[in-house]
Amino acid sequence: NAGVTQTPKFQVLKTGQSMTLQCAQDMNHNSMYWYRQDPGMGLRLIYYSASEGTTDKGEVPNGYNVSRLNKREFSLRLESAAPSQTSVYFCASSEDIRASGSNEQFFGPGTRLTVL
Amino acid sequence: AQSVTQLDSQVPVFEEAPVELRCNYSSSVSVYLFWYVQYPNQGLQLLLKYLSGSTLVKGINGFEAEFNKSQTSFHLRKPSVHISDTAEYFCAVTSAFGNEKLTFGTGTRLTIIP
Repeated sequence: NAGVTQTPKFQVLKTGQSMTLQCAQDMNHNSMYWYRQDPGMGLRLIYYSASEGTTDKGEVPNGYNVSRLNKREFSLRLESAAPSQTSVYFCASSEDIRASGSNEQFFGPGTRLTVL
Repeated sequence: AQSVTQLDSQVPVFEEAPVELRCNYSSSVSVYLFWYVQYPNQGLQLLLKYLSGSTLVKGINGFEAEFNKSQTSFHLRKPSVHISDTAEYFCAVTSAFGNEKLTFGTGTRLTIIP
């Protein structure tokens, strides 16, 4: 199993450009998440999706949009990139807590984004 | 809502010495607790988790953690570290009720000195 995959691994954008980060999981998980990781700030939740067809804002949603395309895929879009969005972005997934007994999340390898 | 505090942002330790990485949490309800490890340029992977039962939890790579409800702590320990333990370690908490999100600490960078 591949687990959680993310594309691309690296990306450099100019201010104002747009792009979409892709994420897919093959574990049949209901919940998926997008985080950003910045030095000294840990992981901050951008958006999450508790099930196919639903999305909710996390701690830092401004400047981002998401799409839960189907159960496997959850994409993150930057419509007009800003230097403050320079970060490492992680996608994660988890099974329903009632089925798994916990909220253990499985993470992708990350996308390193630089906005100039 | 829950919160997590990792007081030590960086911990240098000599190889083969013991280490303790501290984690304190705050919550008004019962919690599940996790430790994740992030090796350089990689994603996060689960080290161990506490859901219920025994307060001493053993994880991968010789790590263990002890849940202390009265002190609201979940400190991570290893009796003898190796160079390969150099990584960033994140403590995380979630409510034990419903599909709550994980709240992460700010991380502790463990550096092993040869």
